[in-house]
Parts: sequence; C-alpha cells; structure tokens
Amino acid sequence: QKEVEQDPGPLSVPEGAIVSLNCTYSNSAFQYFMWYRQYSRKGPELLMYTYSSGNKEDGRFTAQVDKSSKYISLFIRDSQPSDSATYLCAIGENTDKLIFGTGTRLQVFP
Amino acid sequence: EAQVTQNPRYLITVTGKKLTVTCSQNMNHEYMSWYRQDPGLGLRQIYYSMNVEVTDKGDVPEGYKVSRKEKRNFPLILESPSPNQTSLYFCASSLVRPTDTQYFGPGTRLTVL
Repeated sequence: QKEVEQDPGPLSVPEGAIVSLNCTYSNSAFQYFMWYRQYSRKGPELLMYTYSSGNKEDGRFTAQVDKSSKYISLFIRDSQPSDSATYLCAIGENTDKLIFGTGTRLQVFP
Repeated sequence: EAQVTQNPRYLITVTGKKLTVTCSQNMNHEYMSWYRQDPGLGLRQIYYSMNVEVTDKGDVPEGYKVSRKEKRNFPLILESPSPNQTSLYFCASSLVRPTDTQYFGPGTRLTVL
C-alpha cells in the first residue's frame, strides 16, 4: 500500500462547479498537510498548508483534514478555467520528509 | 525576484554520455531537493540537501549524483544516463526543511536515447 494515495483523474467540470480533490494516507503519524498546484509546463507551487484537523479557508479554496479517517480534501468553490491544473497533495510525518501524491489533473471548461 | 533556476530546460542525449543539470536559488535557503516526475508515479525525490556539504538519498537515487559546495547551487549529475532516466526533473528549495514551503524550478525535460 502506498503511503499517500491520490485519484489521478482527470476531472473535468463546468465553470462555477464545486470541485473536491482528495488524498488518503496510511501513517497516522503524518501531521503536515499541503496542497500544491502545478500548471502545465511549470513547477508546482504551494496552494494550502495545514497541520491540524479541521478546515482552513483561503478565498475560494478550503483545505480539510480528517486525521481519524486519514483523509484530506481540497475544495474549490466557483471553479474557474484558470483553476485548470494538476493538484498534488503532500503529506509529512516530521520535518524531515514530505511525500507527494501522484496528482489529480483538473480541467474547468467555460 | 526570488526564484529557483534550472538549466537546461530541455535536453536530448544518448545513453552513457555524462550530463549535469544545474540548479540555483537566490533565497538563501538551506534545504534543496531534486525530484523526478513521471506519469502515474508523481513526484519522487532523488536526493536532498539540508545544508552545504550535507546531502542524502531520497527514494530513487540510483544512477544520480549530487553535490552542494555552495548554498545556492545544487547540481544533479547523471554519470552514465540510461533510457529509464528519461523524465521531467524539478529542483526545489525551502527555508530549512521539506515541510517549509518548497519553491520549485521550471523543470528540465530530459530524453535519453
């Protein structure tokens, strides 16, 4: 079993839809949870960062962590064509190691 | 402008011909890392460095070498490239540790024939 599992998609949604992206993990010691966004032909960039259970909101984006289920989610409200990208979850156990998911490719069409 | 630069951006080479991909950051970051990205496998760490002269293996280090002689530079060396090293490579840096915000370079697409 992989330490971090992420549905690769692709996910195709109309503009304005609510998008839910998810990752599961196997190690209950993981405590750092991040989402990176990668546009085509670019390097990933940090989108959201949390290290506790619950929700964290930033504009149209909400990161949710459920440690009891070992499950993290990224919600995008009112999705826009500019949100079309690959979204990678990244999870860390301590400060020395970060494991990336395989990424979910999202396309938002007008 | 704060950034991570990589060169070259694209490279086509032949099996066995030694090559170096350079990586440089101008943010005075201590932590630097190399990843390869392959379809279905995601980002996998090759090597990382916590500081000058300190390097360590990641998950897929076979066939690669690195050095960290200066804080800003972290070159990736392929002594004898093989076709299974055809991939998209990213260099990244962060302030101190991998769980700090990592800043990625633009990527180097390598093809080994």
